[in-house]
Amino acid sequence: EDQVTQSPEALRLQEGESSSLNCSYTVSGLRGLFWYRQDPGKGPEFLFTLYSAGEEKEKERLKATLTKKESFLHITAPKPEDSATYLCAVQDTGRRALTFGSGTRLQVQP
Amino acid sequence: DAGVIQSPRHEVTEMGQEVTLRCKPISGHNSLFWYRQTMMRGLELLIYFNNNVPIDDSGMPEDRFSAKMPNASFSTLKIQPSEPRDSAVYFCASSPLSSGNTIYFGEGSWLTVV
Repeated sequence: EDQVTQSPEALRLQEGESSSLNCSYTVSGLRGLFWYRQDPGKGPEFLFTLYSAGEEKEKERLKATLTKKESFLHITAPKPEDSATYLCAVQDTGRRALTFGSGTRLQVQP
Repeated sequence: DAGVIQSPRHEVTEMGQEVTLRCKPISGHNSLFWYRQTMMRGLELLIYFNNNVPIDDSGMPEDRFSAKMPNASFSTLKIQPSEPRDSAVYFCASSPLSSGNTIYFGEGSWLTVV
């Protein structure tokens, strides 16, 4: 059974204070690892897909990296508008649906 | 382009009543997913369809839940009879069968059963 564990559950940063979110996963065969952002009252918004260990992707202040057992979402010099819940999910080679972690609630204070 | 469209956005119903949630996937997408989100359990897959055919319904809680996809542009999730523990946000999502498998979510249907 696929499993995804995210840490920390919640993170409070000052504006400009860089940090990383962790996603550990167990999957029989990884087709892809996904990062989503979710704002209150909204659906998850797609950020990145990573397919193989060593891969990195960047978007503005966010960079996602992948190893064989975990992924990191690095946030560089965050701004208050980066405040959201960040969700990690895995897609097994055997199925199309995603298995999600419980998310990290990020709050960036001005 | 229009994203995944869900209705209703909010529904409050009494225990025992039938609830029907509706979803219009992104045009051209072949896969459709229903997820449920609660504080306790996070995002859980209920069921997904490929080309209108149910592929995996192992996440459907019990016989009170049913989902249909009569055509490529419409799906329903029905709860009958509803119970307070069904209160959650229900998300519909869709994905093309190609192009990196990215799954796109709707804004959700917020269900409260009293």
